[in-house]
Amino acid sequence: EADIYQTPRYLVIGTGKKITLECSQTMGHDKMYWYQQDPGMELHLIHYSYGVNSTEKGDLSSESTVSRIRTEHFPLTLESARPSHTSQYLCASSEFSTGNYGYTFGSGTRLTVV
Amino acid sequence: GQQLNQSPQSMFIQEGEDVSMNCTSSSIFNTWLWYKQDPGEGPVLLIALYKAGELTSNGRLTAQFGITRKDSFLNISASIPSDVGIYFCAGRTGNQFYFGTGTSLTVIP
Repeated sequence: EADIYQTPRYLVIGTGKKITLECSQTMGHDKMYWYQQDPGMELHLIHYSYGVNSTEKGDLSSESTVSRIRTEHFPLTLESARPSHTSQYLCASSEFSTGNYGYTFGSGTRLTVV
Repeated sequence: GQQLNQSPQSMFIQEGEDVSMNCTSSSIFNTWLWYKQDPGEGPVLLIALYKAGELTSNGRLTAQFGITRKDSFLNISASIPSDVGIYFCAGRTGNQFYFGTGTSLTVIP
């Protein structure tokens, strides 16, 4: 069963629209991440957070922004969508302090900007 | 960021064959993870390795943490059609994980 939820699963939207991709986890993990992945390609870290009110940019430059007001919620926002933003966006969370270092991933949001 | 090279990039095998893939880096890692991603889904953790030399199995899957801590391999025995997907390695240094470039596996019935 999924403990990390992403909505929507699929989104087709017009250029210039503002969108927010939702990610929530029920595991109480401090650390959360957003990855961008083109089909069949590698994962690129675009944002991460180590706790409430903490956000950092990842290795891949992105025009998106994130917020972390609550532990369980880590939404990603695109103020003005463009066709170059078409991709799959994966949210993940982890908790190192328990000794279980694995990331748990959501099912992803497949975004298409037309 | 750190660079993890996975090989091969893609594999096409017959059902029943064994599969071997590996992940190498010029950097030392403290933890190695192996994930599988089905089409249209997020990656799912298969095996976690925490010590150099560790060999861990999960059903038909076996993974090893290289002695040098710069590499890891994953073996799948007696492949079946549902093994199809992309396999990612991930290495941890500090609080950060870095993902490999992925190995795409196709199993031909």
